[in-house]
Amino acid sequence: DAMVIQNPRYQVTQFGKPVTLSCSQTLNHNVMYWYQQKSSQAPKLLFHYYDKDFNNEADTPDNFQSRRPNTSFCFLDIRSPGLGDAAMYLCATSGTSGGSYNEQFFGPGTRLTVL
Amino acid sequence: GQNIDQPTEMTATEGAIVQINCTYQTSGFNGLFWYQQHAGEAPTFLSYNVLDGLEEKGRFSSFLSRSKGYSYLLLKELQMKDSASYLCAATDSNYQLIWGAGTKLIIKP
Repeated sequence: DAMVIQNPRYQVTQFGKPVTLSCSQTLNHNVMYWYQQKSSQAPKLLFHYYDKDFNNEADTPDNFQSRRPNTSFCFLDIRSPGLGDAAMYLCATSGTSGGSYNEQFFGPGTRLTVL
Repeated sequence: GQNIDQPTEMTATEGAIVQINCTYQTSGFNGLFWYQQHAGEAPTFLSYNVLDGLEEKGRFSSFLSRSKGYSYLLLKELQMKDSASYLCAATDSNYQLIWGAGTKLIIKP
């Protein structure tokens, strides 16, 4: 089945220790998104890729970086995690970034704990 | 600014009907989504409305009024498995999703 896969599902890291979260998709979608979601809050868009074009949200901290080496894979790098970065990180894909109905398909998420 | 408002929490009884409201203010509008999110899981797509009116899909229906900036999600014949958060998200002029914080729906036997 076509899907969005995130690894790992649960990640524990230490304060200040870099961590990388991964996302892959078999939907062949050209747009990929990274969201941060804290408990009982709306998902917060960090950045998205339209093909290889990177779009950073204005309020995304520099501590968060992303890479998309090919259509199928996208990575979220947190260079120096702080306690406030503990959250669920959601990867999503869509078939186009504009001009039409663009339902987003979500992966299962990675829950990040910072000790 | 852009904003989505929906109730924080609602409670309903198994077998009953519940309506979850959502109001939105966005820069431009290109449709409204409803997603279901069970605790600790990713959101899953429920519905999309871009024209005024009611879209029915089994036990779930979604309504949109563009002139009022208003939508609702109607759930019929509630089941215990419907206990989840329901997220309203509006698409702005740049086709970016503006998300609400979600409505936690609690179903009681």
